[in-house]
Amino acid sequence: NAGVTQTPKFRILKIGQSMTLQCTQDMNHNYMYWYRQDPGMGLKLIYYSVGAGITDKGEVPNGYNVSRSTTEDFPLRLELAAPSQTSVYFCASSKTSGGAGSQYFGPGTRLTVL
Amino acid sequence: EDKVVQSPLSLVVHEGDTVTLNCSYEVTNFRSLLWYKQEKKAPTFLFMLTSSGIEKKSGRLSSILDKKELFSILNITATQTGDSAVYLCAVDGNKLVFGAGTILRVKS
Repeated sequence: NAGVTQTPKFRILKIGQSMTLQCTQDMNHNYMYWYRQDPGMGLKLIYYSVGAGITDKGEVPNGYNVSRSTTEDFPLRLELAAPSQTSVYFCASSKTSGGAGSQYFGPGTRLTVL
Repeated sequence: EDKVVQSPLSLVVHEGDTVTLNCSYEVTNFRSLLWYKQEKKAPTFLFMLTSSGIEKKSGRLSSILDKKELFSILNITATQTGDSAVYLCAVDGNKLVFGAGTILRVKS
């Protein structure tokens, strides 16, 4: 199993550009999550999904959109990049909700917005 | 608002020392508390705690939860340089909330 994979690993965007961060898991997990981690800070939940076709906002959803058309994929979309979105983005998945099972994390995407 | 506070923020010890990392929380609808180790990249799972007073142990690492006082501790005995990392505590309530982490540096 590859686990959770994310692409790209690094990206530099100009203000106002858009991009999609890709996340794929091959563990047939129902739950998937997107987090951002700013320097010296803990992880903050952006969006999560409890299954294909179902998504919900987390703690910091503004400026982002997600979709979940398949169990495997959970892309994160930035429409109008802003410097405040400079961060490391982690995708994670779990078999059940976080309380009943551990989350498996992808390697992260380091995004810089200039 | 759900809150997870970790202490200390950072810690420097020598190899062989024992360290205790703290995590206190205020969350609604508590379901579990999780510890992660984060080195260069993604966090890796260490423990999940759901019941008070039951110690979870993995090698030199152990953790325990106190649901009455709303905190957990992570102990690392006989520390090694490979234990240098950020240790994250997360609490699963209505959603998963992470603390800011404790930066541990183990000097040889």
